[in-house]
Amino acid sequence: DAKTTQPPSMDCAEGRAANLPCNHSTISGNEYVYWYRQIHSQGPQYIIHGLKNNETNEMASLIITEDRKSSTLILPHATLRDTAVYYCIVRVAYNNNNDMRFGAGTRLTVKP
Amino acid sequence: DTGVSQDPRHKITKRGQNVTFRCDPISEHNRLYWYRQTLGQGPEFLTYFQNEAQLEKSRLLSDRFSAERPKGSFSTLEIQRTEQGDSAMYLCASSPQGLAGAEQFFGPGTRLTVL
Repeated sequence: DAKTTQPPSMDCAEGRAANLPCNHSTISGNEYVYWYRQIHSQGPQYIIHGLKNNETNEMASLIITEDRKSSTLILPHATLRDTAVYYCIVRVAYNNNNDMRFGAGTRLTVKP
Repeated sequence: DTGVSQDPRHKITKRGQNVTFRCDPISEHNRLYWYRQTLGQGPEFLTYFQNEAQLEKSRLLSDRFSAERPKGSFSTLEIQRTEQGDSAMYLCASSPQGLAGAEQFFGPGTRLTVL
């Protein structure tokens, strides 16, 4: 699976949009971009995933560049409860060996 | 709550002792994963089951580690002769097979401290 690069930490003001970048320049054509987050002392929580088109759900939006070498997770109106470590993962989906390869992630701190 | 559950949530043991952790996945999920997470790092894959078959093991899973899923439902992870370096959070996740298997659902983890 391809590797990802994320900034180690970011701050965001409460109520503003949080934009978390991820670089995955070696992504393969059949690899998806996944985002998970981990709130302190909890297990990781799935947020969203996509292949090439932008995706949106009730939690966030995922913007993938046309060349698929980078993506941005957008939390449109960050709240204090969004403070967490956010992981960007690229992997082949719907495969027999579909373990997740996490990096160190981005620690997002939402400030009042 | 019908999510993934893990027991115990915390375990403190002395070096050299054996420990066993249990994971109960979401009932209709036939895939189950174990991960290990040390402080400040993301989770690292250890092993994966599809039903009762253990299909993949990471090289992180030394001979002292063994995982089972005897009836394709709950799973156990045993660590023999624990070492201080085994201190970590042990996470379990489950997912359904096929197209719906993109998302893994994680449990709250078992935090192991080896003294």
